Amino acid sequence: AAGVIQSPRHLIKEKRETATLKCYPIPRHDTVYWYQQGPGQDPQFLISFYEKMQSDKGSIPDRFSAQQFSDYHSELNMSSLELGDSALYFCASSLFQDGYTFGSGTRLTVV
Amino acid sequence: KQEVTQIPAALSVPEGENLVLNCSFTDSAIYNLQWFRQDPGKGLTSLLLIQSSQREQTSGRLNASLDKSSGRSTLYIAASQPGDSATYLCAVRITNDYKLSFGAGTTVTVRA
Repeated sequence: AAGVIQSPRHLIKEKRETATLKCYPIPRHDTVYWYQQGPGQDPQFLISFYEKMQSDKGSIPDRFSAQQFSDYHSELNMSSLELGDSALYFCASSLFQDGYTFGSGTRLTVV
Repeated sequence: KQEVTQIPAALSVPEGENLVLNCSFTDSAIYNLQWFRQDPGKGLTSLLLIQSSQREQTSGRLNASLDKSSGRSTLYIAASQPGDSATYLCAVRITNDYKLSFGAGTTVTVRA
């Protein structure tokens, strides 16, 4: 079965640079979520989209933005990167009544 | 705000022993609860999903129970194997909300 696809798997950026993470949800899933997981921490909710509209927003810095496109893929854009942005970034998708399926994540390292 | 707590934070057992992982949550108005497994530096793999109307779910050696009134869920792993070594995360979705609230996880080590 198709899973949630995230790209790239690894990304190294310098401080103050910009990064774009991509997520391709499971076909027919209506909701996409982005989570950030710092070293040794549990995943923290950033933002979600339901049917391409932003549905909820968590602890996402103003430097970050996200959108979902007409083909349902989503992108997380991060600007003015800081060392503290180094983390695993997960995308997940779901049908409202079902559980989440997570992608394998993008490991972002800011140097 | 939903608070999710997992006890213990870490657990080390010899191979063959049964594992009991606990999860508690503060808001009992949950929609569902999901248990995940995470290997170091890897993604989250869904193990079991329990809807709010259910009391338990089973998959192979895994069994998860849910007691909404007391705000608790327990994940049982029977006859543990070294391959079960990982961090296990409990996540709760409350009614009328989309996002999951995660516990900090229980890191399990199964010694051969």
